[in-house]
Amino acid sequence: LAKTTQPISMDSYEGQEVNITCSHNNIATNDYITWYQQFPSQGPRFIIQGYKTKVTNEVASLFIPADRKSSTLSLPRVSLSDTAVYYCLVGESGNTGKLIFGQGTTLQVKP
Amino acid sequence: DAGVTQSPTHLIKTRGQQVTLRCSPKSGHDTVSWYQQALGQGPQFIFQYYEEEERQRGNFPDRFSGHQFPNYSSELNVNALLLGDSALYLCASSEGLAGADTQYFGPGTRLTVL
Repeated sequence: LAKTTQPISMDSYEGQEVNITCSHNNIATNDYITWYQQFPSQGPRFIIQGYKTKVTNEVASLFIPADRKSSTLSLPRVSLSDTAVYYCLVGESGNTGKLIFGQGTTLQVKP
Repeated sequence: DAGVTQSPTHLIKTRGQQVTLRCSPKSGHDTVSWYQQALGQGPQFIFQYYEEEERQRGNFPDRFSGHQFPNYSSELNVNALLLGDSALYLCASSEGLAGADTQYFGPGTRLTVL
């Protein structure tokens, strides 16, 4: 499973767009990129998953360049409730579930 | 539609004791995975159950064992508790092994070992 590198922490203000970049230089051909969000004392929550180019859902967008060695999670117009830890995971889709979490990025949204 | 539920919410044990944590998967899910999350760290995979069998295991000692029941619910057992076992224990469910890259997590059980 490819190792990921993310910033440990980020600060933002309400209403701003937040972009969190994850590096995964040794991503394999069959690997997908998945992002999870975790609030204090809660389990992680699936946000978005992609393989290449751009994926968008009601919560976020995921941008993946052609070489797939990095990816960027974009959160539009964040609010205080978006304060959480965000994890980037890389692994083969249907890899039977052994999710490998790093330390994640702690996003602090300020008023 | 109930999500993943775990019990108990909190638990305090002493060193050397044994503990059992319980998990009910999200409706329609048949695969359960367990994770340990120490304070300030990301979750670490313990093992996964599917069709009542352990399918994958992370780097955890044999003191950690589990079980899955015919209704897909699962238990995590930890024997001979150590102080270092204090953590948030998370259960996650998914729809079959093929869907296990998208897992739904429960709120966790906070275990404190004194």
